[in-house]
Amino acid sequence: SAVISQKPSRDICQRGTSLTIQCQVDSQVTMMFWYRQQPGQSLTLIATANQGSEATYESGFVIDKFPISRPNLTFSTLTVSNMSPEDSSIYLCSVVGSGGVTSENEQFFGPGTRLTVL
Amino acid sequence: KQEVTQIPAALSVPEGENLVLNCSFTDSAIYNLQWFRQDPGKGLTSLLLIQSSQREQTSGRLNASLDKSSGRSTLYIAASQPGDSATYLCAVNNAGNMLTFGGGTRLMVKP
Repeated sequence: SAVISQKPSRDICQRGTSLTIQCQVDSQVTMMFWYRQQPGQSLTLIATANQGSEATYESGFVIDKFPISRPNLTFSTLTVSNMSPEDSSIYLCSVVGSGGVTSENEQFFGPGTRLTVL
Repeated sequence: KQEVTQIPAALSVPEGENLVLNCSFTDSAIYNLQWFRQDPGKGLTSLLLIQSSQREQTSGRLNASLDKSSGRSTLYIAASQPGDSATYLCAVNNAGNMLTFGGGTRLMVKP
């Protein structure tokens, strides 16, 4: 399976500030995804980040609020901008396996970044 | 729009019981379905992936089945252990590898 790390693991931020979350994968992957998990809720897809193209955002999420970078095939960042308490969530990145020792199209998730906005 | 529902939302059982977690989805045109485990405050661990052409997958004490035509999947856990306590999530992949998640089942296995 793909090994995914995220930084920071958690943070407490003041409203109005921005936080950039990093996602690093131990192998080259084409597709990376960013999800949000609000307290007590399930996961919701924010955007798909493919290397060499603009991220594709889901309904309800916009680039100005959640800018994403994908500079290479092993790394991506998600920024949560102008934060408010409603942004308090766990943010997770995921990648799709390419087969081989894993099932094709199996998704793997990072450990998440727990964000609290005061 | 795909909707995924998991029943029950919470389950508490004594150690050793066999149990079944249910997942239903509204759009049967799926590419695959994946079951995950999430421990409190942690990320997701992939348990089983069932391709749309498959009926079931097994890993150790876990068995997942898929009935695509009726929009249902079940996760069977045999001989449950306290270490199985976690939230179990099913997620459906319709296309493009974008997953739609159910609300999860919080499982507590009591010693």
